[in-house]
Amino acid sequence: GAVVSQHPSRVICKSGTSVKIECRSLDFQATTMFWYRQFPKQSLMLMATSNEGSKATYEQGVEKDKFLINHASLTLSTLTVTSAHPEDSSFYICSARDDWGASNQPQHFGDGTRLSIL
Amino acid sequence: AQSVAQPEDQVNVAEGNPLTVKCTYSVSGNPYLFWYVQYPNRGLQFLLKYITGDNLVKGSYGFEAEFNKSQTSFHLKKPSALVSDSALYFCAVRDRTNAGKSTFGDGTTLTVKP
Repeated sequence: GAVVSQHPSRVICKSGTSVKIECRSLDFQATTMFWYRQFPKQSLMLMATSNEGSKATYEQGVEKDKFLINHASLTLSTLTVTSAHPEDSSFYICSARDDWGASNQPQHFGDGTRLSIL
Repeated sequence: AQSVAQPEDQVNVAEGNPLTVKCTYSVSGNPYLFWYVQYPNRGLQFLLKYITGDNLVKGSYGFEAEFNKSQTSFHLKKPSALVSDSALYFCAVRDRTNAGKSTFGDGTTLTVKP
């Protein structure tokens, strides 16, 4: 149980292109979703947190107009990288958590998206 | 505020030996504590969590972790390491009064040599 599906797994595109990444919880309701960026030296950087039907809360330093997050349903969140540039190249990971009834649930992660901007 | 420290970037052990991956935390209230594992080019997988009760928590793949309130630690352990345990391990903490985000450590790369 608790499977999170993230697509696509890899994207290579030209500078200036917008890229959409989808994150779906397959067998549970994701009341809270998180988007991370992981750098080559392994650390996870939280970009934003979203609750279903609400606007995402962005971490300091993350441009909300560049990284558009939509959490329209309890099973789907999307991250759109608008007008991507080479410095946006990274490994993006989504995570979902079901907070209904208990506040101690773990996060469940997608397999990540490797974004390469040429 | 909450924070997590994983003091070792890298841990090397021989197959069959016990392993420990260290984690210390800081929260203003009582913590929920988690361990996750990440294999190359994959997302993180949940291993185990501490909520309350017994300080020794058992999780997936034979891993366990010991909650020590006085030392504010939550070290991950396994009695006998396998080569397949080689991966990146993350500790995370969330204040019980904080319904939002967890804070993750910077990760520890575990290498188990045959």
